[in-house]
Amino acid sequence: DADVTQTPRNRITKTGKRIMLECSQTKGHDRMYWYRQDPGLGLRLIYYSFDVKDINKGEISDGYSVSRQAQAKFSLSLESAIPNQTALYFCATSGGLAGVTDTQYFGPGTRLTVL
Amino acid sequence: EDQVTQSPEALRLQEGESSSLNCSYTVSGLRGLFWYRQDPGKGPEFLFTLYSAGEEKEKERLKATLTKKESFLHITAPKPEDSATYLCAVLVGGYQKVTFGTGTKLQVIP
Repeated sequence: DADVTQTPRNRITKTGKRIMLECSQTKGHDRMYWYRQDPGLGLRLIYYSFDVKDINKGEISDGYSVSRQAQAKFSLSLESAIPNQTALYFCATSGGLAGVTDTQYFGPGTRLTVL
Repeated sequence: EDQVTQSPEALRLQEGESSSLNCSYTVSGLRGLFWYRQDPGKGPEFLFTLYSAGEEKEKERLKATLTKKESFLHITAPKPEDSATYLCAVLVGGYQKVTFGTGTKLQVIP
């Protein structure tokens, strides 16, 4: 089984709808991240969480919110989806050990289309 | 502002033709540099982490090296299955956030 899973894998929705993307991990990592990927722009950080009580905005958080329900679960919500939020969304996790430069491990992604 | 630049944007090689991908960075306080492989429509797959200038790591046909200003991913005798986009990313000390480059799309032709 995959260490980092994302649901749904594909989603088509309409402008103005509320959408939730979910991420679960079995790696036992403390840190979780949400990125979006657009052609030519690379991966950009939306939100990140270093533990259940810690939530931080990334470089493009406007229009998004997150919830860290448990150490292993981190969900991303689009409160009112708009077409320019059409993208590939990735969840990632890292170990977060103090003093260690940690590597991020990615889920398979969710392809979101907003019409 | 931290910057990561990868070159070339795209590279087409014949099977067996060795080459190198470049990742140059401008950051304050590099904590680590990462290389990932990404296949179309899939999540990035971790390849290497490099921590300090002079460090090298190898995996099959891939070898990653690091200097104070750039990193190279050397591909020796590539095969068609090495075709993918290769991403470079840096972790800056004190922020614990990773900045990604836009990647090099590699195509290996049989």
